[in-house]
Amino acid sequence: AQSVTQPDIHITVSEGASLELRCNYSYGATPYLFWYVQSPGQGLQLLLKYFSGDTLVQGIKGFEAEFKRSQSSFNLRKPSVHWSDAAEYFCAVGPLGLTFGGGTRVLVKP
Amino acid sequence: EAGVAQSPRYKIIEKRQSVAFWCNPISGHATLYWYQQILGQGPKLLIQFQNNGVVDDSQLPKDRFSAERLKGVDSTLKIQPAKLEDSAVYLCASTSSGSTGELFFGEGSRLTVL
Repeated sequence: AQSVTQPDIHITVSEGASLELRCNYSYGATPYLFWYVQSPGQGLQLLLKYFSGDTLVQGIKGFEAEFKRSQSSFNLRKPSVHWSDAAEYFCAVGPLGLTFGGGTRVLVKP
Repeated sequence: EAGVAQSPRYKIIEKRQSVAFWCNPISGHATLYWYQQILGQGPKLLIQFQNNGVVDDSQLPKDRFSAERLKGVDSTLKIQPAKLEDSAVYLCASTSSGSTGELFFGEGSRLTVL
C-alpha cells in the first residue's frame, strides 16, 4: 500500500519570502512522487515529478523538490513566492495509481 | 494534443436522484481513473481501468456507484441514488501504458446534492 501525509493544512507566507511545503510518503519500494497545484476552480496542474536519478528536481513556476529516502520525504520549495502562488498544493505517490495527500493551502500576504 | 474531457462541468440534483458523468481520456491512454475530491480534501481514487477492465475498485461504494469503460476508451461514472455526502468534484485522469505514473487530469465535474 502507499500513502501520503501533508502535515500542514494551511501556510501563510509573505510575498517575496521563501516557501517550503512538507510531504511524507509511505511505500515499500522506490516511489514515484509528484506535486500538483490546484487554484480555485481550476484543475490539477503538475508542478514536478520524481522517478529516479537526481534527488533534487526542478519544476515549473520556479518550484523545486528534494527526495530524501532516509526521511521518506519529498518537500516542495520556492525561494521567492509571488501572489499568484496562492493555491492548494497536493503531494502524491505512485506507481499504484496516484494516492494524494490532504493538501496544503497556501495564502500569500502582500 | 487534446486533454482529458469531462462532462457535465456542473450538476445539481436532489438526494436519491441519479447522475452520470462522462470522461473521454487522452487518445491512446490505456489507463483511466476516477477520483472523488470532497471540498477541502485531496482526491480519493474510486476506480482504475486498464483498457476496458477494472484494475482497482476497492474504494468505490458499489451499493450506489458504478462505472464502466466500454471499448476501452470513454468512461461513465454513475451514482444512484445520490446522497448528500456525494457532493464533490469528480475527476477523471488518464495515463499511457508503461508510463512512469504521471496522470493527466480533466477539469472535473462538480456535483451538488441537495
